[in-house]
Amino acid sequence: EPEVTQTPSHQVTQMGQEVILRCVPISNHLYFYWYRQILGQKVEFLVSFYNNEISEKSEIFDDQFSVERPDGSNFTLKIRSTKLEDSAMYFCASSGPRDGRQETQYFGPGTRLLVL
Amino acid sequence: DQQVKQNSPSLSVQEGRISILNCDYTNSMFDYFLWYKKYPAEGPTFLISISSIKDKNEDGRFTVFLNKSAKHLSLHIVPSQPGDSAVYFCAARLGSDDSWGKLQFGAGTQVVVTP
Repeated sequence: EPEVTQTPSHQVTQMGQEVILRCVPISNHLYFYWYRQILGQKVEFLVSFYNNEISEKSEIFDDQFSVERPDGSNFTLKIRSTKLEDSAMYFCASSGPRDGRQETQYFGPGTRLLVL
Repeated sequence: DQQVKQNSPSLSVQEGRISILNCDYTNSMFDYFLWYKKYPAEGPTFLISISSIKDKNEDGRFTVFLNKSAKHLSLHIVPSQPGDSAVYFCAARLGSDDSWGKLQFGAGTQVVVTP
């Protein structure tokens, strides 16, 4: 069964460093998402991406964050200068293949980011 | 932002019995609701969904009921099995042209199925 994959599973970084989280969405999906879950809190939406551009973003997704689909399979989330409060589990999700708004989002296993 | 609420943080149920998980929402513009199951250190796994034009959807042991007038949905698991022990999240999506699928999640309910 197709699934969303994410790498790395864990990432430890120093405050102020850049991190790139990687995701491979389900191959025929067209809509891609990043969510995060800070320990003890709800899963929060960060950004959605369609047709090589951001379609919606939350207040959390400020100028320190960016997303990219560098090739036909990968979808990345970059945090330019990490802060302590960026420590969280980051989940990638994808939906599609046609009208993504009507399709279920399937989540990857997550990347646990720890900022020291 | 508390538009999706799961007021029961935990639920304990005996194996073989019914588990009923509840979710309330405040935004009448939500048009699609989903239930996800999550094990520790894993991503949410899709269980079942329901469109706002329906009031019930069934898939095997899982049934979701939607009461739009009460802005309430519930997930029934029958019969409950030990492998169902996990955190269950309710999620909702806005049905507007400005929304591109953003899901809003409840806080989750920890289900423990005892033998």
